Formats: sequence, structure tokens, C-alpha cells
Amino acid sequence: DGGITQSPKYLFRKEGQNVTLSCEQNLNHDAMYWYRQDPGQGLRLIYYSQIVNDFQKGDIAEGYSVSREKKESFPLTVTSAQKNPTAFYLCASSIPPGIVRNEKLFFGSGTQLSVL
Amino acid sequence: AQKVTQAQTEISVVEKEDVTLDCVYETRDTTYYLFWYKQPPSGELVFLIRRNSFDEQNEISGRYSWNFQKSTSSFNFTITASQVVDSAVYFCALSEAYVGNQGGKLIFGQGTELSVKP
Repeated sequence: DGGITQSPKYLFRKEGQNVTLSCEQNLNHDAMYWYRQDPGQGLRLIYYSQIVNDFQKGDIAEGYSVSREKKESFPLTVTSAQKNPTAFYLCASSIPPGIVRNEKLFFGSGTQLSVL
Repeated sequence: AQKVTQAQTEISVVEKEDVTLDCVYETRDTTYYLFWYKQPPSGELVFLIRRNSFDEQNEISGRYSWNFQKSTSSFNFTITASQVVDSAVYFCALSEAYVGNQGGKLIFGQGTELSVKP
């Protein structure tokens, strides 16, 4: 079955530590996204990538970094510069550009990051 | 500025009741897209509907229906004869149709947590 796999499901970060959240998709989608969800709030865009080796900052990119070396993979690193990293992180993808504008997103099941 | 407001934080109903989730949006664009997503306890968001700004027809899909009114900038979602499996957080979202936005740059509302009790 095609889909998006996020791992781990739960992650704990110590002070001053960088942690990396994994996101893999086998949907052959060009575009991938990282969203952050805080309790009682909507999702906010961290980073997005429309094609391999290219990515753009979203609305809350500070303290985060990404890479897009392969079409299938879009890992997110939460750096020590992110002072309030506790949140639920969701990865998503969408169909290749140029086919249908503003098509729906496919989401992974998320990673809950907590600070020790 | 673009904004999506879901004023209802939590709604609780008894099974078989009808329930409407409100969504009000703000945008200066004339071309945009509106979405509803469902987030069950498993965490992943599930797509429910996508509507573009030029299509104001209401839509029905089984027990789900959507009422899009540009005059009031609203895109409300109604579940008829609710069931326990409908319990989830529901998000309304806005996507503006500009060059370079392939659809994933969504602006989400705060979400409405729906609890359907047996």
C-alpha cells in the first residue's frame, strides 16, 4: 500500500540536543511538507519541498532544518535553537505540480516530540 | 492577511444527532481553495473535501454535506445522523492559488473536536 511513514511515533529530546524526524513516502509525490501541531491549535507550516534538492521555509522555520536528497525522503531536524519543540509533527505530500492545482495532501501518522 | 477561524473548540453530541461545524475564512484573493480534513485519534489527517472559490454548489457525500457561501466567507460542514466513529478533530483549511503554491501551503483553522457519544 502506498503512503507516508513517519518515525519514530514518540521522540524525546534533551536540552541542547538535535533530533531528526523521519518521513518517507512511496506515492511518487514531488512535493513534501512538514507541519507542526500544538494542542488546541491548527497546523503551521515549517518547511516544504516541491522537488528534490530544493526546499523553502514555511511560516515557522526558525530552529528547524530539512534536506531533500531523495524524492522519497524529507527528514526534519529539530535543532537546539528551537526553544519550544514539544509538539506533534506531521509530514505530508501532494501530487506532482502542473497536474491539478492545490490538490489534497496525504499525511503521515505523526511524531510526538517531547522535551526531557 | 489570510485566516481561517473555527470558533467551536469542542462539540459534544449524542449519536444520531445532526451536527454542523462552522468555518469562516479571510482572504484577499479571488481564486482560492477550501478544504476539510478529519484527524482521528490515530493522528493522521484524512482529506474530506476540496472546493475552489468558483464553485459554490453545496456538496453531499453520504452523511456529510458542505455549505459554501462566499457572501459570508463560510464553508460549513454538517454531519447527519452522527455516529461514534465520527469522533475526531476536524480542520478547515484555506489554500491560495498562486504560482508556486502546489497546494500544500495550507492555512488551517484551530480545529473543532467532535465527540459523539453512544
